Amino acid sequence: GQSLEQPSEVTAVEGAIVQINCTYQTSGFYGLSWYQQHDGGAPTFLSYNALDGLEETGRFSSFLSRSDSYGYLLLQELQMKDSASYFCAVTFRGSTLGRLYFGRGTQLTVWP
Amino acid sequence: KAGVTQTPRYLIKTRGQQVTLSCSPISGHRSVSWYQQTPGQGLQFLFEYFSETQRNKGNFPGRFSGRQFSNSRSEMNVSTLELGDSALYLCASSFGLAGVNEQFFGPGTRLTVL
Repeated sequence: GQSLEQPSEVTAVEGAIVQINCTYQTSGFYGLSWYQQHDGGAPTFLSYNALDGLEETGRFSSFLSRSDSYGYLLLQELQMKDSASYFCAVTFRGSTLGRLYFGRGTQLTVWP
Repeated sequence: KAGVTQTPRYLIKTRGQQVTLSCSPISGHRSVSWYQQTPGQGLQFLFEYFSETQRNKGNFPGRFSGRQFSNSRSEMNVSTLELGDSALYLCASSFGLAGVNEQFFGPGTRLTVL
């Protein structure tokens, strides 16, 4: 199968900045997505990167480096409500285009 | 615009039984994907349907099947239930292909197999 690596847990305090990294298998890579899931809730889409560089959406930014098979999600001005699990997900070109491979998720805890 | 809906929200079955879960995508969305989520395995892809055709299938046994109707509504079926099938089953829809478009997830169906 396809492998994605992301940290299992990250903790930070309110107002801080946190970066959640994701590394993935290179062969056939097409794009990287990020999803947020609160306990008991459904995953919600945060961002999608297919090209190298930084995409900014409010307090959240996502970065991709195709040459390094690496991306990250950057959360700024952390708030308590940001405590959730964050998943990176990759899609590969070819017959499986349209299928998302999810990482195991990073549990972010924001302390007051 | 109404979100993705899934029915039922909770289900309790016993081993050997079968179950059918239903998903209604956002109006206009043609792609529906199904995922199984468990604490041990995370989010695992089951299948993706696009305009009534199964485009992708994950690494699950043949006991797991699905279909999509002309109105984009989708169902998944699990036959001969096993204890390990206990999980949250999530459905997600997108306007275009799932992997390159934002997916909107439903609230899930929590299946417990006793």
